[in-house]
Amino acid sequence: KQEVTQIPAALSVPEGENLVLNCSFTDSAIYNLQWFRQDPGKGLTSLLLIQSSQREQTSGRLNASLDKSSGRSTLYIAASQPGDSATYLCAGRLMTTDSWGKFQFGAGTQVVVTP
Amino acid sequence: GAVVSQHPSRVICKSGTSVKIECRSLDFQATTMFWYRQFPKKSLMLMATSNEGSKATYEQGVEKDKFLINHASLTLSTLTVTSAHPEDSSFYICSARDRQDRASGEQYFGPGTRLTVT
Repeated sequence: KQEVTQIPAALSVPEGENLVLNCSFTDSAIYNLQWFRQDPGKGLTSLLLIQSSQREQTSGRLNASLDKSSGRSTLYIAASQPGDSATYLCAGRLMTTDSWGKFQFGAGTQVVVTP
Repeated sequence: GAVVSQHPSRVICKSGTSVKIECRSLDFQATTMFWYRQFPKKSLMLMATSNEGSKATYEQGVEKDKFLINHASLTLSTLTVTSAHPEDSSFYICSARDRQDRASGEQYFGPGTRLTVT
């Protein structure tokens, strides 16, 4: 079974600092990996989707990398802002044909950016 | 595009009653939808995969007779929590895959439904 781990569980940084969020997975047979943002009591907002054939994806201040061989993905958020405060979840999609589309989520990293 | 809605956003019900949660894909067709459950400060746990026109596939440990899933059309899946108990109180989130997008595998998530059973 795919295990997805996110470290750290919580992170607090002053505004302007860069954020580095880590996600590791046990099964390298991963089809893709997706990063999400979740605000308290809300649903998920998709941030970046990285296919297994890709090494990274970028959107504005966000950059996500994927290293299948080491089972790791990293989300970088440049020049953090208080509005970036949220919980960030990563999810790996399994490659097996009988679990098409099934995601395994990490527990998330709760980020607080202080003004 | 790719919007998924859930209704209701919040529901409070008494023990022993049943409650239905709807998940709709608003601007795309979804042959597959997923239902997740999230406990406070925990991650999402996949409950079941809902396939249009066929029976849902439940994850190990999820009671299919308690969590009834119906995927009657390409834009609607429903989750019915039957004979609800306080331990069923949770945040339920659905997601959907665009039937025309089998390559990327991206899932679009609904805003979630907060269920409180008293």
